[in-house]
Amino acid sequence: GQNIDQPTEMTATEGAIVQINCTYQTSGFNGLFWYQQHAGEAPTFLSYNVLDGLEEKGRFSSFLSRSKGYSYLLLKELQMKDSASYLCAVLDSNYQLIWGAGTKLIIKP
Amino acid sequence: IAGITQAPTSQILAAGRRMTLRCTQDMRHNAMYWYRQDLGLGLRLIHYSNTAGTTGKGEVPDGYSVSRANTDDFPLTLASAVPSQTSVYFCASSGGGPDNEQFFGPGTRLTVL
Repeated sequence: GQNIDQPTEMTATEGAIVQINCTYQTSGFNGLFWYQQHAGEAPTFLSYNVLDGLEEKGRFSSFLSRSKGYSYLLLKELQMKDSASYLCAVLDSNYQLIWGAGTKLIIKP
Repeated sequence: IAGITQAPTSQILAAGRRMTLRCTQDMRHNAMYWYRQDLGLGLRLIHYSNTAGTTGKGEVPDGYSVSRANTDDFPLTLASAVPSQTSVYFCASSGGGPDNEQFFGPGTRLTVL
């Protein structure tokens, strides 16, 4: 079966750095996405990785290792507004997105 | 530019009733999707449409139907609602670009009693 694993909840301090991990087992791989979802709102796109390595976009970076079935989202200089759920999703061989359950990130002052 | 709109925002429905959730996009995206999101579970694909006139079943299609008469609209119908269909429903679309990013509507919160 297809499976996306990520921690249920993480806590971090304002101004600090946090890394959210995602491991996957899917039928085929056509890219990995990270989305942010604030409570009561729709998911919004953060990043897309299809090749191994690190993609940096401002305070957010995303890393992919296809051989290990592993990705992480790195958030730097955390702000209170970063409190949200972070969803990992993999585009499978049928070009459908398989979603993890999401990681709820709590930022403390 | 609205992006994707969904209606209604929320609805309480008696079991056994028929309900249609509406979704409209103005981005001329070919692909559209319906997901449900339940606490502790990831987004689960109900139905999708790769282009107007075609639809396909996702992971959890039972009890739901869709149509895609044109590019912009992708309604989701519950023929006879059951309490297990209580959920938040998101419609999404994608233009099929290099990263196939999906854009989401604001969601419909449905409660079936």
